[in-house]
This record gives sequence, structure tokens and C-alpha cells, in this order.
Amino acid sequence: DAKTTQPPSMDCAEGRAANLPCNHSTISGNEYVYWYRQIHSQGPQYIIHGLKNNETNEMASLIITEDRKSSTLILPHATLRDTAVYYCIVRPPGTALIFGKGTTLSVSS
Amino acid sequence: DSGVTQTPKHLITATGQRVTLRCSPRSGDLSVYWYQQSLDQGLQFLIQYYNGEERAKGNILERFSAQQFPDLHSELNLSSLELGDSALYFCASSVGADYYNEQFFGPGTRLTVL
Repeated sequence: DAKTTQPPSMDCAEGRAANLPCNHSTISGNEYVYWYRQIHSQGPQYIIHGLKNNETNEMASLIITEDRKSSTLILPHATLRDTAVYYCIVRPPGTALIFGKGTTLSVSS
Repeated sequence: DSGVTQTPKHLITATGQRVTLRCSPRSGDLSVYWYQQSLDQGLQFLIQYYNGEERAKGNILERFSAQQFPDLHSELNLSSLELGDSALYFCASSVGADYYNEQFFGPGTRLTVL
């Protein structure tokens, strides 16, 4: 299974973009990159996923490097409600959703 | 609101007892997953059911069992409870059995074993 590495914590000012990095240097060709977040003991929430190309939805953008060894989740205008633990997960086919320790993002005013 | 419901929200019980946690998936979702989140172990996958059949197993103890019923709701049974079983238990659902489908999580059941 591909392993992911994320910084344990990050800070962001409200209204600014939050850029959360993830390293997944051992990713294999058919593995997707998924991002979930968990707000204070609530159930994790799906944010976005991608394979090779950059993706954007109403919540965030996902930038995947050309060699696919790393990615960045971008929250374009962070709000206080975006304070959460963000999990970068690489999923091989037919296996479980494996959560690491994630990045604790703190958004402050 | 993810559309996934879990009952009860809180459960307090004693060591050695047995409890049942219930999960109703989103309408139309055939897959149900169970996860355990404790302070020391983080979020761990326990087991997945797809359309009534067990699909995948994770770090589920032999004292724990689950099933998915014809109406697609699922129950997680925890027996011979120990203090270390105190945790948040999440249920998630997705459309199909392929893990590339995003999972939608319920609000969780907080189990406290005294």
C-alpha cells in the first residue's frame, strides 16, 4: 500500500488560501488520491479525489504533480469552519480506506 | 447531513457486556463500512458489507461481528467488552463495492465501557 506523509499541523488566516501538502512517493499507477476531513469528532467528510489530473469542486482543488508522487489540497478561501483534521489517503483497488494521522488545520481570524 | 444515520449516539456499559450498534446507509447505497476511532489507534477500518455479503475485513476483533440485512441497514455487535473498546464507532456508506466510490460517514456512536 502506498504510504502518505503529511505535516502534523498548519495554520491559516481566515480568508486566505490553505494549501495542504501530501507526499505519496510510492503511489502506483492505478491508485487514486483521496482527501477527507474530520471536524472535531464528527464523521469524516469526503472532500475530493483525483488520479492524474488536477481536480476542482465546490469545496476545494486538488493539484497532483506530474510524477504523482505528491499532491496539494487547496481551500481557496479558508473560513473558521474549515478548522479540522485533513487526511490524504491513497487507495489501491480492493483495499480499505486507511487513515493516517492527517494534518490539523487551524484557521484563525 | 450525510444521510447516514447511526443509533444510539451514546452508549455506556460495563466490561463483559454485549452491545449492538445500528447503521442505516444513504438511500441507494449498497456498501456499508464500519470504523473504530480511539485516541491511541486513530481511525481504523473494521469491516465492509456489500448488498448483504461481507466484502472486506480490517482490524476487527473476534469478539466483534457485523451483518447487513435485506433492507441494507447494518449492525455491529460487540461482545465481552473491555475497557479498551471505548471509542467512537463510525458507519459509512457508498454506492458500490468499489473503493473508488467516496464514502459518506454517519455521526458515530460513542461507546464508553466502565
